[in-house]
Amino acid sequence: DTGVSQDPRHKITKRGQNVTFRCDPISEHNRLYWYRQTLGQGPEFLTYFQNEAQLEKSRLLSDRFSAERPKGSFSTLEIQRTEQGDSAMYLCASSLALASGRETQYFGPGTRLLVL
Amino acid sequence: QKEVEQNSGPLSVPEGAIASLNCTYSDRGSQSFFWYRQYSGKSPELIMFIYSNGDKEDGRFTAQLNKASQYVSLLIRDSQPSDSATYLCAVLWRGGATNKLIFGTGTLLAVQP
Repeated sequence: DTGVSQDPRHKITKRGQNVTFRCDPISEHNRLYWYRQTLGQGPEFLTYFQNEAQLEKSRLLSDRFSAERPKGSFSTLEIQRTEQGDSAMYLCASSLALASGRETQYFGPGTRLLVL
Repeated sequence: QKEVEQNSGPLSVPEGAIASLNCTYSDRGSQSFFWYRQYSGKSPELIMFIYSNGDKEDGRFTAQLNKASQYVSLLIRDSQPSDSATYLCAVLWRGGATNKLIFGTGTLLAVQP
């Protein structure tokens, strides 16, 4: 399967612990996005990369959140000092940016985080 | 604040009927529109995208776009119980370095056998 993959699929942690999630995009895609989704809501944008450059971070992304895409391939999202409000599904998506400006984002299976 | 609005439902239709899902958006400059299907506990799955005014058909699915009215819809013909899911409308917001999907809250579709 050559779709977007994410690891782990589920994570349970205690408040105050650090967690790290990984996303592997579709191989030829140069853009990678992180979204967060809570129950009953649509996904909300967190940040995105074009190749290895992080081009935008949402105001939702507090200083406890950091994302990297060191070689323009896989990406990691780290949450430090987790809080119960961080419990959500963390979704990664990738796309191929076209000269026309059009792009289609494909989502991975997500990482479901529960902070106790 | 760029917004995408959907009726949360549930929208209940009998098997074999046409399901009609609607979405409005606030940014008149938006150019790219998407419908994702999301089963409970799963991630969003792309089912349709549309860029131009009018209709776009793909199998049992038809997306309709009216930029003047800032309205996007999804029709599902011959609805099946397996179509029961939440349907998310999304608009691609582009501006400067900004490039992101803005989602509605989704419409829950229930197809009754």
